[in-house]
Amino acid sequence: DGGITQSPKYLFRKEGQNVTLSCEQNLNHDAMYWYRQDPGQGLRLIYYSQIVNDFQKGDIAEGYSVSREKKESFPLTVTSAQKNPTAFYLCASSIGLINEQFFGPGTRLTVL
Amino acid sequence: RKEVEQDPGPFNVPEGATVAFNCTYSNSASQSFFWYRQDCRKEPKLLMSVYSSGNEDGRFTAQLNRASQYISLLIRDSKLSDSATYLCVVNEGFSSGSARQLTFGSGTQLTVLP
Repeated sequence: DGGITQSPKYLFRKEGQNVTLSCEQNLNHDAMYWYRQDPGQGLRLIYYSQIVNDFQKGDIAEGYSVSREKKESFPLTVTSAQKNPTAFYLCASSIGLINEQFFGPGTRLTVL
Repeated sequence: RKEVEQDPGPFNVPEGATVAFNCTYSNSASQSFFWYRQDCRKEPKLLMSVYSSGNEDGRFTAQLNRASQYISLLIRDSKLSDSATYLCVVNEGFSSGSARQLTFGSGTQLTVLP
């Protein structure tokens, strides 16, 4: 069953701790993306990757880091430098940058 | 100016009504266009791609007007289950010879009332 998975669905962390969100896809897509969505707001692009071992900053990369060591995986680390980390985080993948993106179910991060 | 602009709504319509959303984009070199649907607290899901000739999928019709740089989504005979936020999505064309990624509009909220 092809798809994109994110774990966990809900995550709670204390302020000042780094946290890593998982994103895995078995669609054989080259491109992967991380978005942040705040309540009542649109999607904002954090990072994206066109191919393995390459990634680019999006509009709001500060306080976040990513890696792309495998085609299937694109984990996002929310560092303590991110001032307002509480949000809904969505991972997506696509064949290429201009193609439709498919989303995972998202992770709701709450920093206490 | 935002790259992709949508009327945020909300649009409140009775069941059975026809409703239309427009979306404007700023980059004339944009090549791909989509409509997504996002239910409350869920991930966005692809509703339909938008082609130059226009396309229809059941009660949904999407159109592209390149000259005026807008895309539209028409929903006929709206159902309660159509209540969601509809996202207009456009790719940003090319930059330095390389394709740019998709840009998502902020969405238009639709509520279909019984």
